[in-house]
Amino acid sequence: GQNIDQPTEMTATEGAIVQINCTYQTSGFNGLFWYQQHAGEAPTFLSYNVLDGLEEKGRFSSFLSRSKGYSYLLLKELQMKDSASYLCAVRADSWGKFQFGAGTQVVVTP
Amino acid sequence: DARVTQTPRDKVTEMGQEVTMRCQPILGHNTVFWYRQTMMQGLELLAYFRNRAPLDDSGMPKDRFSAEMPDATLATLKIQPSEPRDSAVYFCASGLGRDDTGELFFGEGSRLTVL
Repeated sequence: GQNIDQPTEMTATEGAIVQINCTYQTSGFNGLFWYQQHAGEAPTFLSYNVLDGLEEKGRFSSFLSRSKGYSYLLLKELQMKDSASYLCAVRADSWGKFQFGAGTQVVVTP
Repeated sequence: DARVTQTPRDKVTEMGQEVTMRCQPILGHNTVFWYRQTMMQGLELLAYFRNRAPLDDSGMPKDRFSAEMPDATLATLKIQPSEPRDSAVYFCASGLGRDDTGELFFGEGSRLTVL
């Protein structure tokens, strides 16, 4: 079957670091994506990994290990506006069939 | 700036009524997706199109749902007859398929409530 697992919720304080883990088992793999979704809004693209290793983009970094079926999203210097749901998604084919995890709700506290 | 446009933003209807949701993808994008989001199930893929041809609609209840792309600027998702369990936010997304990242661009969603 196809499965993408991530924690339901994480809480952290402003200025801290949070790491959101994602494990996946899918029938195809053509990239691992992270999206951010604020309450009542559409998901927006954060990062993309297709090869193993770390991709850094400002305060956000994403890591991929294809052999382990594992990725994480690292959020540094947390700000209140980072409170949102973070969705791990696997693109199953080169034309973009995406499967999404259920999302991790990150709550940033003062 | 370029964005995916969806209508209606909100729809409240009675069980048994027909509902049509519309999406205008970003000009030049060749893949279009319909997703449904609920608290219980998260984002579920209903159907997707490549160059207007349906590629996969296995996630869609075929007896009541239908998805079409009559032209490159319009995708539709129809539910007939609607049921209370169809209440959800329906997102349309478009992308460039085989470009560098192939990220998806989502519309603002259509919130459907079936009473």
